[in-house]
Amino acid sequence: ETGVTQTPRHLVMGMTNKKSLKCEQHLGHNAMYWYKQSAKKPLELMFVYNFKEQTENNSVPSRFSPECPNSSHLFLHLHTLQPEDSALYLCASSQPTGGGDLHEQYFGPGTRLTVT
Amino acid sequence: GQNIDQPTEMTATEGAIVQINCTYQTSGFNGLFWYQQHAGEAPTFLSYNVLDGLEEKGRFSSFLSRSKGYSYLLLKELQMKDSASYLCAALDSNYQLIWGAGTKLIIKP
Repeated sequence: ETGVTQTPRHLVMGMTNKKSLKCEQHLGHNAMYWYKQSAKKPLELMFVYNFKEQTENNSVPSRFSPECPNSSHLFLHLHTLQPEDSALYLCASSQPTGGGDLHEQYFGPGTRLTVT
Repeated sequence: GQNIDQPTEMTATEGAIVQINCTYQTSGFNGLFWYQQHAGEAPTFLSYNVLDGLEEKGRFSSFLSRSKGYSYLLLKELQMKDSASYLCAALDSNYQLIWGAGTKLIIKP
């Protein structure tokens, strides 16, 4: 248990569906992240929120829409996805103040997404 | 561009020692992380190095050479539970983590 939870753990959706991924952190951190992890590829940073404000959007298609209502919760809303969006979606949190060691990120278990 | 290189897969024997190498090229540098990720689970923090040298933590040690843009993770007395992917990540000048693709370590009896 890392203090970061994600639901659902597995999701199968059609290309016309709309679904949401949820992440919650119980660590009192101020920064939260969405990553996409595909087989044999580096973790792809999708979005970063610092104190509920979005600070990074790494050229992510608009079919992915993040929402951060407070510093403990993060959502990723999905609509009209493509089969190539099938991957493990990881949420992470950190308390990025001061030295580099404080940028350690704590990850949730991920949501395994399959788009059919 | 920014880049992290590490081997895709390595195999080692239970009880032995294995060294997983990582080279990095980043815009600025604020330290290097190693994470462990078991199949189907979240990555978990192993180590952080920002100064040159070796940091030892039980069976695991991590080494950094800033001048060479090089790090390695050393695992001693390998156990079957060490079978996992090991992710190298460098913190750039903007404090963004640049990730490698991970090294899948297979431990054989």
